[in-house]
Formats: sequence, C-alpha cells, structure tokens
Amino acid sequence: SQELEQSPQSLIVQEGKNLTINCTSSKTLYGLYWYKQKYGEGLIFLMMLQKGGEEKSHEKITAKLDEKKQQSSLHITASQPSHAGIYLCGADSGGSNYKLTFGKGTLLTVNP
Amino acid sequence: GAGVSQSPRYKVAKRGQDVALRCDPISGHVSLFWYQQALGQGPEFLTYFQNEAQLDKSGLPSDRFFAERPEGSVSTLKIQRTQQEDSAVYLCASSLLGISGNTIYFGEGSWLTVV
Repeated sequence: SQELEQSPQSLIVQEGKNLTINCTSSKTLYGLYWYKQKYGEGLIFLMMLQKGGEEKSHEKITAKLDEKKQQSSLHITASQPSHAGIYLCGADSGGSNYKLTFGKGTLLTVNP
Repeated sequence: GAGVSQSPRYKVAKRGQDVALRCDPISGHVSLFWYQQALGQGPEFLTYFQNEAQLDKSGLPSDRFFAERPEGSVSTLKIQRTQQEDSAVYLCASSLLGISGNTIYFGEGSWLTVV
C-alpha cells in the first residue's frame, strides 16, 4: 500500500519567514492533494497536482510535484499567523480514483 | 447547500451504545467518501459511494460499522455497540465524480467520544 511521509512533523516560525513542508511517497503519485486543517475543523482544499514537474500557486502558497512524481513540497512565503494549522498531503492510492491516502500532517505555528 | 454538512458535530456515547452520523454532500456530487481521523493522525479511508452504490467498504474497521446512501444524496455512517477505540473524528467528503482532476470537499467532521 502507498505510504506518505511528511516532514517536518511540526514547525514553528516567526511571522514573515518562509517555510517548506515536504511530502514523500513510497510509490509513484497519481495525484497529490494538499489540505489545511485547523484544530476541530474539517479539511480545506489548497491545491491538486497531477503532472510531474507541475507547480501551482495560490496567494503566498506554492506547491510542486517533482518530475519523478514521488515527492511534493509546499512552500509558504512571508508566513502570517493565518497560515497556522495542520497541513496534510494526500495521494490517490494506487490510481483508484476514489481512495486517498494521507500523511500524518505537519503542524505549523506562526508566531507574531 | 454551499458545502458538505455533517451532524452531529460532537457526540459523546457510552460504550455499547449505537450512534448514527449524518452527511449532507454538496448538491449534485456523485461521489461520497467517509474517513476516520484519530488524534494526531491523518484521515484514513473508510468507504466510498458512487450515487447510491457502495463501491468500496474495505476501510470499515469491523462489522459494527455500516454506511448507507439510499437515495444517492444524504449518507449515514452507523456504529453499533461503540467501543473506546471508535473515538475519533469522522469526516465526510464529496466530489463531482471520483478524485482525479476533481476537488474533494470535506465537511467539518463529527467528533465521537466513547466513554
């Protein structure tokens, strides 16, 4: 079965700093999804990547999928307290087109 | 509705009690998913519906768990004779069809605590 490893597990940054979260798969990624979760709330969709080398940006968040489609990174520029939360990567498990396998998440704290 | 709606948001059940968790997907969404999220972990797949058909229930932890979507819209996840290990957040999600190329929208979850 596919496993996703996220690093770091947790991250504390000062407001205004840049940061990167990584998501590594044991197998080829058919589709990679980034979500944000605040404690006690559901998952908020951030971005979806499907093609090797693909890069997408939304506001100050950029996500990339490497050429080999086994690793993705999420980069936040000039972090703000509103970026705080748990970031989860999820992948289409075995190309099923319905089953997502998630990493354990990265807890981001942004200090003002 | 505007998003995926789940109820109840919070449920405390005594061990051995039956519970039912409801999910209202986004109108027109063919695909509906249930996930279980334990504290400090990522969500884990439970089951998948396409319209009213349950195409995959391989993630349901035991035969005490049962899900249905009789008319292809609202879904209910039922847990019989709850145990402490069932304590978790149960997340429902929906999409137009499948996940490839489609955004999967999650509800806010139902927090279940079994005491």
